[in-house]
Amino acid sequence: DAKTTQPPSMDCAEGRAANLPCNHSTISGNEYVYWYRQIHSQGPQYIIHGLKNNETNEMASLIITEDRKSSTLILPHATLRDTAVYYCIVRDRNAGNMLTFGGGTRLMVKP
Amino acid sequence: EAGVVQSPRYKIIEKKQPVAFWCNPISGHNTLYWYRQNLGQGPELLIRYENEEAVDDSQLPKDRFSAERLKGVDSTLKIQPAELGDSAVYLCASSFGGTGVDYGYTFGSGTRLTVV
Repeated sequence: DAKTTQPPSMDCAEGRAANLPCNHSTISGNEYVYWYRQIHSQGPQYIIHGLKNNETNEMASLIITEDRKSSTLILPHATLRDTAVYYCIVRDRNAGNMLTFGGGTRLMVKP
Repeated sequence: EAGVVQSPRYKIIEKKQPVAFWCNPISGHNTLYWYRQNLGQGPELLIRYENEEAVDDSQLPKDRFSAERLKGVDSTLKIQPAELGDSAVYLCASSFGGTGVDYGYTFGSGTRLTVV
């Protein structure tokens, strides 16, 4: 079972920041938060992951609350090519490297 | 680097026929996964290999599905016989499970199976 809750869909204006929330209230101390996205007709693509500190890479930023019960993926300047389904996943890296996907958030970036 | 390569990209078969999917993971990735993705849903794990050993196949419908990973590299997923409900996208992914590092999974583009 997926351990995360995400809104099913969101819209964002092109050029604006897209903030995708994720609740993971039952996350344990060994579990990391991962984000993947899936563009239409492609396989999921890794974006970013973190444990408790905020993380940033060339694709996005990940903000994890202090209690680790929720997180937000930030795409700072969304483009039309960012339209995709975004999956938030909690994963225990020490338990077989399993990735369990939920339903994700369908982000629509509009001109 | 070619990434994870899957073939065929699309497959249409009649029910009760057999079908096979092929996956070539990224060179050096010791872990390989097969996922199934139904329309509008997230991918679901079918089987996971560590090198040539299937270490988690609890979600694989063993009455009709089989998989193999010869020599710990390429993998084949087979369905025999196919049913209408098997229509889905079958995704292959690979990862490197080195201690202390995490490069995430790399997925292929998938095989879209339609059973008619």
